[in-house]
Amino acid sequence: GNSVTQMEGPVTLSEEAFLTINCTYTATGYPSLFWYVQYPGEGLQLLLKATKADDKGSNKGFEATYRKETTSFHLEKGSVQVSDSAVYFCALSRANQAGTALIFGKGTTLSVSS
Amino acid sequence: KAGVTQTPRYLIKTRGQQVTLSCSPISGHRSVSWYQQTPGQGLQFLFEYFSETQRNKGNFPGRFSGRQFSNSRSEMNVSTLELGDSALYLCASSLQGAGNTIYFGEGSWLTVV
Repeated sequence: GNSVTQMEGPVTLSEEAFLTINCTYTATGYPSLFWYVQYPGEGLQLLLKATKADDKGSNKGFEATYRKETTSFHLEKGSVQVSDSAVYFCALSRANQAGTALIFGKGTTLSVSS
Repeated sequence: KAGVTQTPRYLIKTRGQQVTLSCSPISGHRSVSWYQQTPGQGLQFLFEYFSETQRNKGNFPGRFSGRQFSNSRSEMNVSTLELGDSALYLCASSLQGAGNTIYFGEGSWLTVV
C-alpha cells in the first residue's frame, strides 16, 4: 500500500545551521508529494510540493526534489532560523484517482535555538 | 480570499455523547476532506466529499460520518464518543484533482472526558 516514512525527531539545531529532514515513500503509480508545516496550536500550512519526478519544490528557503529512483523527497534548508521551529510533515496524495486524500508521515519536530 | 474555516475551535464532550464539527472551504473549492490528528496515530485521513458525495473513506468506524452541502460546506459527526476520539480534527479543501494543493483549516480540538 501507500506509505510515507520520515526521520524521527526531534531535530535540534543552532540558528544558521543546515537542515535535512529525510522522507521516503511507497506508492503505486505516480503520487504528488508535499511538505506541510505545523506551528504550535495551529493547523497545517503547505510548505512546498512536487507533482512529478525530478520536480523541485521550493518556498521560504526550503527545497525538496522528487526523486523517483530513490522514492525520496528530502526537505532541506541552507540556514535555519528560530522561527522555523515547528513540526514538519511529508505527505503524498494517492495516485491514479480523482480524490485528494493525503497520506502523512509521522512528522519531525524541529527546534532551532539562537 | 478567506481560508478554510472550522467551528468550533475547542470543545469538551462526555463519553457517549455525539459531536458535530463544521467546515467552510475556500471559495470555489468543491473537495472537502477531514483528518484526525493524535499524538499516537499522527494524521489520519477520515473521508473526502466532492459535490455532496463521499468520494474516499479512511479506515475509521461507522461512528464517524460526514456530509457536504450544496454550497460545499461540510460537517462531520462522531457518535457515541470514546476517550480515544480526543484529537485535533482538521478540515481541508482543494480544487478537484490529485495533484492540487490541499489547504487546511486551523482545526477543532475535541476533548472527550
